[in-house]
Parts: sequence; structure tokens; C-alpha cells
Amino acid sequence: GENVEQHPSTLSVQEGDSAVIKCTYSDSASNYFPWYKQELGKRPQLIIDIRSNVGEKKDQRIAVTLNKTAKHFSLHITETQPEDSAVYFCAAAIYNQGGKLIFGQGTELSVKP
Amino acid sequence: GAVVSQHPSRVICKSGTSVKIECRSLDFQATTMFWYRQFPKQSLMLMATSNEGSKATYEQGVEKDKFLINHASLTLSTLTVTSAHPEDSSFYICSARDPGANSPLHFGNGTRLTVT
Repeated sequence: GENVEQHPSTLSVQEGDSAVIKCTYSDSASNYFPWYKQELGKRPQLIIDIRSNVGEKKDQRIAVTLNKTAKHFSLHITETQPEDSAVYFCAAAIYNQGGKLIFGQGTELSVKP
Repeated sequence: GAVVSQHPSRVICKSGTSVKIECRSLDFQATTMFWYRQFPKQSLMLMATSNEGSKATYEQGVEKDKFLINHASLTLSTLTVTSAHPEDSSFYICSARDPGANSPLHFGNGTRLTVT
């Protein structure tokens, strides 16, 4: 089955700096790669996702890149703000299988003012 | 607004008792729903895939007799933790996707289970 590895487990940056979180996956059939932000005690919130037919997607300060050949994808947050502090999870799925997501281990991002 | 409703949000029960958690899709019919468990400071681990009208598919290592899943209608899946023990204390979250739309997966708000 699918296995998703995520690094780093913790990341501390200064406000205004960029943050990068990386994930690798094992199942070449996976074609949907969402990123979630989770605050303590709350459900994960989708922040951006990418399908395998594109290599990059951007939404304001957030971007995701995908390298299908190498089976890795990354989240890039620019101009970080203290409110970006949270735990971020990557995930992989085969989209037409209804959304069975396999999550990475999570990255605790801390943005220091 | 929420398109997947999960209830209860918090529950405390005694060891040996059973607890039922409900997951409802509000705006769409979900033939498939997913149940995840999340321990503190850990990731979401897929427990099982709930299939409307048929048996759930459990992930390796998840006891199907302990975590009973019923998906009797197109808008409701239930997870029952039977004979709960303190080690079952966790955050349980369901999810579903509207199959008729190009939409992302929707998560419920989660249920914090504490077994004393």
C-alpha cells in the first residue's frame, strides 16, 4: 500500500521567511496530493492540493510542487506570518477511489514574530 | 459551512463500555466514508473505509470486532468503539467526498474520546 514520508517533523522560522516541507510517496498510482493545516484539537483544513497532471500550483503565499518521476512533492509558504503556525500534513491518494488519503507524519511549523 | 457533521464532539466513557460516533454528509450522498484516528502529536491514521450497504474495509492492524462500522444509508456512517479501554482514547475523525462533484475531501469536526 501507499506510504508517505514527511520532513521535517518540526520547523521554526522567523516571520517573513519562507518555509518548505517535503514529502515522498511510494505508490506510483497515486495522483492526488493535498496539504492540510491542523490547529490543536481541530479538524484538518485543506490549504492546497495538486493533481498529477500538473507540476506546480500556487495560491497567494502558498505553492505546491510535484515531481512524479521522483515521487515527491513539497509545500512552500512565503512571507510567513505567526498565524501560519500549526501542524501541516501532506497526503496522497488515488483520486477516483473516493478520497482514501494516506497522511505523512506531520510538520509542526512555528513562525516567530 | 460544514458539509460533514460528526457527533459527538467529545465523549468520556468508562472502561468496558461502548461508544457510538456518527458521521453525516449534509449536502451530498456519500457511498464511501473514511474513519481516521489521531493520537496526540501524531498523524491521522486511516482505520477503515465505510461502504454504504456493504462491509467496511479495515486497514491492517485495526480490529474489526472492536471498531464496528455501519453505513446503512447514503448520508450516515457510524463507528462504534466496543469494550473501550484507556488506550482507545484518541481523536476520531471521519471524512467523505461528494462523488458527483469535483470537490475535495470533507472532514468532520472530530470526536475526542476519553476512556477512564
